[in-house]
Amino acid sequence: TQLLEQSPQFLSIQEGENLTVYCNSSSVFSSLQWYRQEPGEGPVLLVTVVTGGEVKKLKRLTFQFGDARKDSSLHITAAQPGDTGLYLCAGTNSGYALNFGKGTSLLVTP
Amino acid sequence: NAGVTQTPKFQVLKTGQSMTLQCAQDMNHEYMSWYRQDPGMGLRLIHYSVGAGITDQGEVPNGYNVSRSTTEDFPLRLLSAAPSQTSVYFCASRPTGSYGYTFGSGTRLTVV
Repeated sequence: TQLLEQSPQFLSIQEGENLTVYCNSSSVFSSLQWYRQEPGEGPVLLVTVVTGGEVKKLKRLTFQFGDARKDSSLHITAAQPGDTGLYLCAGTNSGYALNFGKGTSLLVTP
Repeated sequence: NAGVTQTPKFQVLKTGQSMTLQCAQDMNHEYMSWYRQDPGMGLRLIHYSVGAGITDQGEVPNGYNVSRSTTEDFPLRLLSAAPSQTSVYFCASRPTGSYGYTFGSGTRLTVV
C-alpha cells in the first residue's frame, strides 16, 4: 500500500482566515483526488489532478499537484463555516484502488 | 438521479451472524468499490469490480465476499461477523475514463 500522509490532522480557525492542507507521499501517483466528508455522509469529490505542477481552482479552494506527482496541497482563502469538514486526499495509479490519507479535520468558527 | 444508494444505514449484528450490505448505482458506472472507514485508519479498500462479472480483492478482503451480476448492483457479504468488522462501510462508483468516485452515504455496522 502506498502511504499518503496528511498534515495537519486537525485545524481550528476563525472565519476569514486562510489555510493550507498538505498531502505527501514517497510514491508517484498518476492522479490525486481531494474529497470533503461531512459527519454521517460519504466523501464528496472536490477535484482530480493528473499533471505534475497542475493547479486547479474551485471558488476559494486552490489545489496543486507537485511537479514530481508525489504530493499535493489544498489552500482555502477566507475560510467560511461551511468549509468545516474532513478533507481527504487519495492517490491512484490503477484507477480502481484509491489510497487515502487519514484526513484533515477542519473547523471554521464564526 | 439517486447516485449511489446503500442500505441499510445502520445495522447491529451478533458475532457469527451473516449479512449483506446492499449497494446500487443508477449512473451506469463500470467501476464499483467497497471501502471501510475506521478511526485513525482512514478509508481502506475491501473489494472492487471493473464491470459485471469481474471482481477482485483490495487491501482488507478477509471475511468479506462480493459478486457483480449486474452493472447496477455490488453487494458486500459478511460471512461470519466479528467485532473487528465494526466499521462504517462505503460503496463508491465511477465511470470509465474518469478518476473521480461517487460515494454512497455509508452503512454503520456494529458487531457485538
